[in-house]
Amino acid sequence: NAGVMQNPRHLVRRRGQEARLRCSPMKGHSHVYWYRQLPEEGLKFMVYLQKENIIDESGMPKERFSAEFPKEGPSILRIQQVVRGDSAAYFCASSPTGGSNQPQHFGDGTRLSIL
Amino acid sequence: GNSVTQMEGPVTLSEEAFLTINCTYTATGYPSLFWYVQYPGEGLQLLLKATKADDKGSNKGFEATYRKETTSFHLEKGSVQVSDSAVYFCALRDSGGGADGLTFGKGTHLIIQP
Repeated sequence: NAGVMQNPRHLVRRRGQEARLRCSPMKGHSHVYWYRQLPEEGLKFMVYLQKENIIDESGMPKERFSAEFPKEGPSILRIQQVVRGDSAAYFCASSPTGGSNQPQHFGDGTRLSIL
Repeated sequence: GNSVTQMEGPVTLSEEAFLTINCTYTATGYPSLFWYVQYPGEGLQLLLKATKADDKGSNKGFEATYRKETTSFHLEKGSVQVSDSAVYFCALRDSGGGADGLTFGKGTHLIIQP
């Protein structure tokens, strides 16, 4: 059974470029969550999506960040015009339902470095 | 809002020592509680969970009990091994509104020496 798959594992961008991070949830999971982890800190919730719908984006920065989870294909976290402060590890998690008692299963993350 | 507070690390213990990592929380609703473990360069793995008061989650020798009266979910293990060295995160997900994601503590880095 494949777990949550994220790619790329490492991504290097120059300031002003765009970064696209991909996440394929576990088989049978239709709920996807994105988190950001800054050095020496815990994970911060960014956005929660179900197929074709954004359910909660209360943790997303207001500008430059967007997320989607299309009917077909992986979920995408997109960061436009990246800045040094966007350097972090970005983790995706999935669950079969959206219940609060459901554990979320995490991928290995994408480590984004901004030059 | 919701928050999770964990004891600061790093915590350094000798092999076979008893482990406690403290975790307390605040929540607006009735949360489910989780412990996750992160090994270097990897994502988070679910260690255990508890979804209601007095529930005890357990896995791989680790235990934690959901204490509503003290709003705590302390992680314990009777005899740690070198392979337990990792970063441990306490987390909650609230049922009472607010953000739908997990709220994490800052993590506790555990180092087990042979």
